[in-house]
Amino acid sequence: AQSVTQLGSHVSVSEGALVLLRCNYSSSVPPYLFWYVQYPNQGLQLLLKYTTGATLVKGINGFEAEFKKSETSFHLTKPSAHMSDAAEYFCAVSDLGYGGSQGNLIFGKGTKLSVKP
Amino acid sequence: NAGVTQTPKFQVLKTGQSMTLQCAQDMNHNSMYWYRQDPGMGLRLIYYSASEGTTDKGEVPNGYNVSRLNKREFSLRLESAAPSQTSVYFCASSDLGTRLYNEQFFGPGTRLTVL
Repeated sequence: AQSVTQLGSHVSVSEGALVLLRCNYSSSVPPYLFWYVQYPNQGLQLLLKYTTGATLVKGINGFEAEFKKSETSFHLTKPSAHMSDAAEYFCAVSDLGYGGSQGNLIFGKGTKLSVKP
Repeated sequence: NAGVTQTPKFQVLKTGQSMTLQCAQDMNHNSMYWYRQDPGMGLRLIYYSASEGTTDKGEVPNGYNVSRLNKREFSLRLESAAPSQTSVYFCASSDLGTRLYNEQFFGPGTRLTVL
């Protein structure tokens, strides 16, 4: 069975500092991986996705993530945090096309990012 | 395009009351989903519809029913609301079947309180 673990339910950084949000997954087959962002009182918006090909994926708002198969990780980074990055971030995995899977998304529990001025 | 829309935005129910949450998408997607979001729990799948005319249970289906009314609309019904169903409910859609990966698009959510 697939699972997603996000290390740290709350992360706080200073404006201008590096953002690193950690995500590890468990999957018996090559996964598809996603990061979503949720701003207060809003729905989820796709930040970036890994499907196939290049393991370093760039997304919106300056975020990027690297798929590391050997570490079963898909950590989200941004070189310089902005106040507007304060939100909750969710990592998700799906395995569409393998073993009859429906490919539904399995979400991590989320990481709330706070940005201090 | 409005994307995924949900009504109502907020709702307060008394225990035992029933209600239907409405969801519609205008992206011609085949698949639609209902999730609930609770603090510290992430998103949990309640029901999904892989295509028009089909529905399947997700991780937490008890106490809910769904209807895929047509390709655009997917409703979630609480027959007898319980305080444990206090949550934020999200509808999502994807064009699964035309893509190899399940990129989902989310609505703004319905905040439900059951007293």
